[in-house]
Amino acid sequence: AQRVTQPEKLLSVFKGAPVELKCNYSYSGSPELFWYVQYSRQRLQLLLRHISRESIKGFTADLNKGETSFHLKKPFAQEEDSAMYYCALSGGEGAQKLVFGQGTRLTINP
Amino acid sequence: DAGVTQSPTHLIKTRGQHVTLRCSPISGHKSVSWYQQVLGQGPQFIFQYYEKEERGRGNFPDRFSARQFPNYSSELNVNALLLGDSALYLCASSTVSGGPYEQYFGPGTRLTVT
Repeated sequence: AQRVTQPEKLLSVFKGAPVELKCNYSYSGSPELFWYVQYSRQRLQLLLRHISRESIKGFTADLNKGETSFHLKKPFAQEEDSAMYYCALSGGEGAQKLVFGQGTRLTINP
Repeated sequence: DAGVTQSPTHLIKTRGQHVTLRCSPISGHKSVSWYQQVLGQGPQFIFQYYEKEERGRGNFPDRFSARQFPNYSSELNVNALLLGDSALYLCASSTVSGGPYEQYFGPGTRLTVT
């Protein structure tokens, strides 16, 4: 079964501090992992995906197959990073079925 | 382009009634997926349609059905509504059927069942 776990519902850090949002997954095959973000009053949007191996808005995420994790990191948090973050997994299978975690609400304090 | 659009924005229904939610994908996108998001949870996959064919189905009862039209817009239908169907229903569109490609989400339809 495919499952995504985000252990922290809420995360609060100070501006300029490092941020790490945890994501663990369960999937027997080769997963495709994503981070989606929802800013206040905006729609859900893609932040980054593991296959691109890119940094978006200073965020990076490395797929660790040994630990089945895809943690999202940023070295210096900014106030505009405050948002709801969802880790998602797609098992392929010819369909774009995304399995989402429950989400982490990140608050950056000034 | 306005992005993915959904209608209505909100609606209130009574238990046992039927509801139809509508979604228009981004121009050129042929894939539409539906998700249910219960308060405090992440979105849960319901259906995906590509080129008017069902490509994926989540773990939802047969009361949930969907279809895609020749212009790639889509409808999600829910029969015999239950209180537990109260949720935000999200539509997402994409250019392709599968693979690690971005899905573009609409603003959602907030359904309240009383």
